[in-house]
Amino acid sequence: DAGVTQSPTHLIKTRGQQVTLRCSPKSGHDTVSWYQQALGQGPQFIFQYYEEEERQRGNFPDRFSGHQFPNYSSELNVNALLLGDSALYLCASSLRTAWGDTQYFGPGTRLTVL
Amino acid sequence: GDSVTQMEGPVTLSEEAFLTINCTYTATGYPSLFWYVQYPGEGLQLLLKATKADDKGSNKGFEATYRKETTSFHLEKGSVQVSDSAVYFCALSSTDKLIFGTGTRLQVFP
Repeated sequence: DAGVTQSPTHLIKTRGQQVTLRCSPKSGHDTVSWYQQALGQGPQFIFQYYEEEERQRGNFPDRFSGHQFPNYSSELNVNALLLGDSALYLCASSLRTAWGDTQYFGPGTRLTVL
Repeated sequence: GDSVTQMEGPVTLSEEAFLTINCTYTATGYPSLFWYVQYPGEGLQLLLKATKADDKGSNKGFEATYRKETTSFHLEKGSVQVSDSAVYFCALSSTDKLIFGTGTRLQVFP
């Protein structure tokens, strides 16, 4: 049973460029959440997708956008990259239930903005 | 808003020592509580969870009890190993998103 997978593993971009990160959820999961983890910090919630719609959003600018596909996989897009966007981007998947869900994380994509 | 506070690290222990990592939280309602572990260069792995007051989560010798009266979820292990060296994150579930503490680095020496 494959867990959460993310691609690419590492990425180097320059300021002003755009980037797309990809995530495939754990088998049987229908919800994908994205987090940003700066060096030495805890992960910060970016947004969550369920039924191909953004359900919740954290305190991130509109430069951060996403998408969920019918097979539940998801993309995170960041436009007009800033140096401060350098971080580990984590995808987490879960199965939405009436009593809450447990999120399982992928290995992350390390983004470096020069 | 909801928040999680963890003890600052690093925590440095000898192998077979007793481990406690403190975690307290502030939340409206009754969130689920989690401990995640992050090994160098990797993503987060779920270590254990508790969904209601007085629940005890346990896994791989680690334990944590959901204490509503003290709003705490301290992580404990009776005998740590070198392989337990990692960063540990306490988190709560708030309207389906996770709110994390800043993490506590554990270093275990032989």
